[in-house]
Amino acid sequence: AQTVTQSQPEMSVQEAETVTLSCTYDTSENNYYLFWYKQPPSRQMILVIRQEAYKQQNATENRFSVNFQKAAKSFSLKISDSQLGDTAMYFCAFFYSGGGADGLTFGKGTHLIIQP
Amino acid sequence: DAGVIQSPRHEVTEMGQEVTLRCKPISGHNSLFWYRQTMMRGLELLIYFNNNVPIDDSGMPEDRFSAKMPNASFSTLKIQPSEPRDSAVYFCASSLRGRARNEQFFGPGTRLTVL
Repeated sequence: AQTVTQSQPEMSVQEAETVTLSCTYDTSENNYYLFWYKQPPSRQMILVIRQEAYKQQNATENRFSVNFQKAAKSFSLKISDSQLGDTAMYFCAFFYSGGGADGLTFGKGTHLIIQP
Repeated sequence: DAGVIQSPRHEVTEMGQEVTLRCKPISGHNSLFWYRQTMMRGLELLIYFNNNVPIDDSGMPEDRFSAKMPNASFSTLKIQPSEPRDSAVYFCASSLRGRARNEQFFGPGTRLTVL
């Protein structure tokens, strides 16, 4: 079974700063996908960024980028030029389609607060 | 395009009552997932369907929980009888299995409170 660990329950930074959220995972599989989801107070789950394990290049989406270290099983999210609207819970998620299991395995989340 | 639709958005009921949560996946998606979110346990997969067939229900906590998907555009999650510990936010998500992106799109969730 896969596990996902987010070691930072809460983080707080000033607006316009850069912040990095950490995520580690454990798996014996080689081909899988990793995601970061954002959950604002509205509780809607919003996909922020995704990474395929077979790709060496780190994914980027505007101000959001990841640092994917496959050997270390690490998948951190960097938010540049943080904005007040980035305040939310952020969940790291693992996906492996194999053995009949297609669901996402989530970490416990990091509550990110952007201060004005 | 409409996203995943869930109803009701909020449900308050008394212990022992039957609760039915509903989900309409994104048109064309062939996989549907039910997740539960609590403070203690975080987000957990309850069950998922592929082409309307339940594939993995190992996350369903007890026999009080049941899920159906009678057609490609509708699914229900039923709790009977409900208990206070079932209070949580229940999410439905859908995806197009087999596509490389493997992205799951979530509905707005149903906040269930069992008194």
